[in-house]
Amino acid sequence: QKEVEQNSGPLSVPEGAIASLNCTYSDRGSQSFFWYRQYSGKSPELIMFIYSNGDKEDGRFTAQLNKASQYVSLLIRDSQPSDSATYLCAAGLSGGYQKVTFGTGTKLQVIP
Amino acid sequence: EPEVTQTPSHQVTQMGQEVILRCVPISNHLYFYWYRQILGQKVEFLVSFYNNEISEKSEIFDDQFSVERPDGSNFTLKIRSTKLEDSAMYFCASSAQGGPQPQHFGDGTRLSIL
Repeated sequence: QKEVEQNSGPLSVPEGAIASLNCTYSDRGSQSFFWYRQYSGKSPELIMFIYSNGDKEDGRFTAQLNKASQYVSLLIRDSQPSDSATYLCAAGLSGGYQKVTFGTGTKLQVIP
Repeated sequence: EPEVTQTPSHQVTQMGQEVILRCVPISNHLYFYWYRQILGQKVEFLVSFYNNEISEKSEIFDDQFSVERPDGSNFTLKIRSTKLEDSAMYFCASSAQGGPQPQHFGDGTRLSIL
């Protein structure tokens, strides 16, 4: 069973700090990686996606990918209480596959 | 910003009954998906749909499930004879391209089987 693994948390950070969320994946064929934010009782909201090794920045968010280590991370700078949510890591295979496999998510709590 | 819309937001159905969940994907998107999330568990892929046919499905998507694009805008998920374990949030998603590409989710339908 190909898996995407995340620490369930909760990860607590003070307001204004950097939150670091991590994810590992088991299928070396994974080529596309996504971070979604999910507030309690709501649907997943796409935050970032990354396909290549290295960093990708979008505003306060930075996604990092290391395919050799099968590791994906999401950094949130200047964390705000409104960032408190569950962050879902997801991976998709190359080769025309459509399926995206989700991790169980990491709950982030930003303390005012 | 364009969004995926799903109806109804909550569906309560007796076990054994048929249920149809409806979705309107983003208008210029070509790939459509259904996912489910049982309470407290992870989001699970059910099926993807492209060019009026299923392109990929999971082991969860058995003969009780079917999908259809009955017209140019709607995308539906039918569960033929519901079971208690079908109770979950069902999310529709769409993407402009396959491969996979970023998928945008609707607000979901909460399905409760009694």
